Amino acid sequence: SYMLTQPPSVSVAPGKTATITCGGNNIGSTSVHWYQQKPGLAPVLVIYFDTDRPSGVPERFSASNFGNTATLTISSVEAGDEADYYCQVWDSSRDHRGVFGGGTRLTV
Amino acid sequence: EAQLLESGGDLVQPGGSLRLSCAASGFSFSNYAMSWVRQAPGKGLEWVSAIRGSGDTTYYADSVKGRLFISRDNIENTLYLQMNSLRADDTALYYCAKEPVENPGWYFDLWGRGTLVTVSS
Repeated sequence: SYMLTQPPSVSVAPGKTATITCGGNNIGSTSVHWYQQKPGLAPVLVIYFDTDRPSGVPERFSASNFGNTATLTISSVEAGDEADYYCQVWDSSRDHRGVFGGGTRLTV
Repeated sequence: EAQLLESGGDLVQPGGSLRLSCAASGFSFSNYAMSWVRQAPGKGLEWVSAIRGSGDTTYYADSVKGRLFISRDNIENTLYLQMNSLRADDTALYYCAKEPVENPGWYFDLWGRGTLVTVSS
């Protein structure tokens, strides 16, 4: 089955840029979506279709997807960005199923 | 305002059964695919199952196939997850999540707050 690999943790100083990767075999050929989850709360969509931001998500959040790695970038990181971040794709190679990465804890 | 509200979580013994519900409001429920996504305590998100807006097509993770069954009532605007032969590793917070299209395969643009299932003797 298709697997997505994320680093367990990323640390960044306030005002700096955080980069969170999501690795998968030829992930660039599929659409990647990103979610933010703060403690005790449900996940929230922050990026869809590789690069698009839902309304209300700051422009500081951006993403890319190429080759075997998708990347979420958060610029000018704020304390409020501290959360777990998950990448997600749909795997239709064998059967149609959702796949999440293991999640990355962003510490500010 | 679009909302999802899960219910039905409980403490259940291994081998037991449970039915979760997810009440939808504020949007045309039958037009959108729905999924169940779970999160074991202190762990990451795991997709469990999805159902087409019409309810005629379903998909399951290997870990739950044959034990958990997704369904929906588009009159009552409710999503269900029938859980049978429960195991300890089914212990998790179960979220229902909506997609912005009828067929599963995009992203989840709306999540509920979750309902907790604990499988233990």
